[in-house]
Amino acid sequence: DAGVIQSPRHEVTEMGQEVTLRCKPISGHDYLFWYRQTMMRGLELLIYFNNNVPIDDSGMPEDRFSAKMPNASFSTLKIQPSEPRDSAVYFCASSPVQETQYFGPGTRLLVL
Amino acid sequence: RKEVEQDPGPFNVPEGATVAFNCTYSNSASQSFFWYRQDCRKEPKLLMSVYSSGNEDGRFTAQLNRASQYISLLIRDSKLSDSATYLCAVKDAGTYKYIFGTGTRLKVLA
Repeated sequence: DAGVIQSPRHEVTEMGQEVTLRCKPISGHDYLFWYRQTMMRGLELLIYFNNNVPIDDSGMPEDRFSAKMPNASFSTLKIQPSEPRDSAVYFCASSPVQETQYFGPGTRLLVL
Repeated sequence: RKEVEQDPGPFNVPEGATVAFNCTYSNSASQSFFWYRQDCRKEPKLLMSVYSSGNEDGRFTAQLNRASQYISLLIRDSKLSDSATYLCAVKDAGTYKYIFGTGTRLKVLA
């Protein structure tokens, strides 16, 4: 099994640019999560989906952030426009109905 | 008060030592509890779930204290390879919203 796949693995962009992060969950997993990790705030849940439907987006910091899951094998997290304070590691995770989450390798985002 | 709190450490212990971490949570309705391990610049990986009766996996023992609202992780006979950050996670019943602590960093020294 390939595990959760994220791309890109690293992203460096300038303030004001649009950033799109991508995630392919493990096949057959019904739940998909987007997290952000920083030294100061730790690992924060941004949004999660069940069967492609957003269930809880209360962690999305502001309107600049949006997430979609058009099908069971693909999700995106978009930041538009990006700001330096968005610099973090963004993890995608997926989970079957049982509670074990499997994390992807993360995308390291640096906004200059 | 944060929903889930951990001592950030670092805990520096010699090989072979026993070390314990605690994680406190504020929501008494929390239902599921987990310990994750995260190596430097890697993703978190599930170490073990924490059951009401406590559970053990080799050198690792996890316990839940609902009355005092904390979970613990005990590592016996520490190995150099145990050096990592240990994150606790809490989930409420009826939801898949996980709240993570900021992690406790462990360094096992030769």
